[in-house]
Amino acid sequence: AQSVTQPDIHITVSEGASLELRCNYSYGATPYLFWYVQSPGQGLQLLLKYFSGDTLVQGIKGFEAEFKRSQSSFNLRKPSVHWSDAAEYFCAVNAGNNRKLIWGLGTSLAVNP
Amino acid sequence: DTEVTQTPKHLVMGMTNKKSLKCEQHMGHRAMYWYKQKAKKPPELMFVYSYEKLSINESVPSRFSPECPNSSLLNLHLHALQPEDSALYLCASSQDRLAGFTDTQYFGPGTRLTVL
Repeated sequence: AQSVTQPDIHITVSEGASLELRCNYSYGATPYLFWYVQSPGQGLQLLLKYFSGDTLVQGIKGFEAEFKRSQSSFNLRKPSVHWSDAAEYFCAVNAGNNRKLIWGLGTSLAVNP
Repeated sequence: DTEVTQTPKHLVMGMTNKKSLKCEQHMGHRAMYWYKQKAKKPPELMFVYSYEKLSINESVPSRFSPECPNSSLLNLHLHALQPEDSALYLCASSQDRLAGFTDTQYFGPGTRLTVL
């Protein structure tokens, strides 16, 4: 069965530091992978997605993610974190049809000034 | 423009009330979704409409009744809810182009529902 694991429940970084949020998936076929961000009390905003092609994907707000099939990973990175990046981050993978997603439990990011 | 709008932003209702949540998108998307999200948890899929027909119902209790009047609008009618139904209700939409192809889902800001 498909699954998504975000090993880090909570991460704290200092402003200006680099960031990597981990996402591991389990899916038998070619995965479609997504990262969403949710600020407190807000909806989910798409950061980036991977469907095929170049395994390094650029997204909004300076984020990027790298798809590594051999490691079943799709880690999210940002070279320099801003205080406004404090939020909940969710990784998701398609669930075998075009309308259902399997979600990770999320990683809560705190940013110290 | 990837915008999905939801009204109201906040809703407080008693267990005997009837209320409705509304969602609208003007991106020409043909699939629309309702999700329920508890604090610090991922969203849980409730319903999916594809081309204005109910495509997925994730065994949601009948006190939640979805409606898709047209391709741009999605409603969620609420009746006799329980306090445990208090949550953030999110609407999303996607293009729904081809069977087996995963389209990107775009989310609205949500309605914060409190059931007293």
